[in-house]
Amino acid sequence: SAVISQKPSRDICQRGTSLTIQCQVDSQVTMMFWYRQQPGQSLTLIATANQGSEATYESGFVIDKFPISRPNLTFSTLTVSNMSPEDSSIYLCSAGLAGSTDTQYFGPGTRLTVL
Amino acid sequence: SQQGEEDPQALSIQEGENATMNCSYKTSINNLQWYRQNSGRGLVHLILIRSNEREKHSGRLRVTLDTSKKSSSLLITASRAADTASYFCATSGAGSYQLTFGKGTKLSVIP
Repeated sequence: SAVISQKPSRDICQRGTSLTIQCQVDSQVTMMFWYRQQPGQSLTLIATANQGSEATYESGFVIDKFPISRPNLTFSTLTVSNMSPEDSSIYLCSAGLAGSTDTQYFGPGTRLTVL
Repeated sequence: SQQGEEDPQALSIQEGENATMNCSYKTSINNLQWYRQNSGRGLVHLILIRSNEREKHSGRLRVTLDTSKKSSSLLITASRAADTASYFCATSGAGSYQLTFGKGTKLSVIP
């Protein structure tokens, strides 16, 4: 299995500002993903974080709003840019282990509230 | 989209009883996974069942998969108060590692 940590665990931000969320995995992983979970809802995939290249975004999500970096195999960041109250959600990163990408392990999530 | 749909949306049972949650999906899958989420925290992976498997056990968990009906069930036996959480199924298609999540079942186990 893998242990995934996220920072910050929660934050309260003002409209128009940006927040960068960090995700660190304790194992060598191949795939890393970012999800959004709006209040009372299920998880929606934002993008696949690719090492050393641009992330692959799902329909409805764009790089200008959610820039993602993945400088190495075990670390990724997601920035939520120019925030509005509609961005209030839990943001979760997940990873699939090298050699066994079927199972995804999730971080504890970052609870974001935008005022 | 192969988004899963869980039912029931909410389930309340007494401690010691069994809890059954169902998941349906729309398209062919490579595997189906069940996750637990405690009160807005991160997801904990419970069990993975592949498309060529019909049943799998892990401790008090039993998962079945019926690909002809595009459905899966999660049974938790002898439930405990600590099982109180939301349970999600998630599917991935052939050649894809991306997960598509269902809406979840909120389970409450009353001591």
